[in-house]
Amino acid sequence: GQSLEQPSEVTAVEGAIVQINCTYQTSGFYGLSWYQQHDGGAPTFLSYNALDGLEETGRFSSFLSRSDSYGYLLLQELQMKDSASYFCAVGGSYIPTFGRGTSLIVHP
Amino acid sequence: EAGVVQSPRYKIIEKKQPVAFWCNPISGHNTLYWYRQNLGQGPELLIRYENEEAVDDSQLPKDRFSAERLKGVDSTLKIQPAELGDSAVYLCASSSTRGRGNIQYFGAGTRLSVL
Repeated sequence: GQSLEQPSEVTAVEGAIVQINCTYQTSGFYGLSWYQQHDGGAPTFLSYNALDGLEETGRFSSFLSRSDSYGYLLLQELQMKDSASYFCAVGGSYIPTFGRGTSLIVHP
Repeated sequence: EAGVVQSPRYKIIEKKQPVAFWCNPISGHNTLYWYRQNLGQGPELLIRYENEEAVDDSQLPKDRFSAERLKGVDSTLKIQPAELGDSAVYLCASSSTRGRGNIQYFGAGTRLSVL
């Protein structure tokens, strides 16, 4: 089977940097994705890593280490609108599996 | 370009009643997913379609859930009869690229309450 572990909640202040970690177990690996979901909204794609290393997209970056089955999402220059749930997801055996999500709370 | 459209947005029914959800994916997207999301959890895949073929439905409770994707475009997910534990948000997503992370585009979901 497949499973992902991520912290349930992270808090930070506006303007700070926060890292959300994700560890996974999967049979077959098709990359690690990150999605953002605001309360009552749809999940939206943020970033994807198929290979080891860092991918940068504006204020968001994502990192992957396949040897450690580990990745993280880095959010810089936090804004209040970044308060949301963040999900890591793997596509092992091409069956997409999502983590339980990390609730990010940004304080002024 | 229109996104993934789902209807209805909200549905309240009594247990043992039937319910159906509809999804219109992004034009040209051949892969369609149905997920169930419980409060405080991540989306859980119920079924995935490649065009009109269900290629993974191992997590679909087949005794009460059914789905179809006629002509490989719109899809319908049905529950009959509904149980209290079916209360959740039902999300539809679509994608077109198997190569780069299979980016999924989600609809706003249908929030089902079973009383």
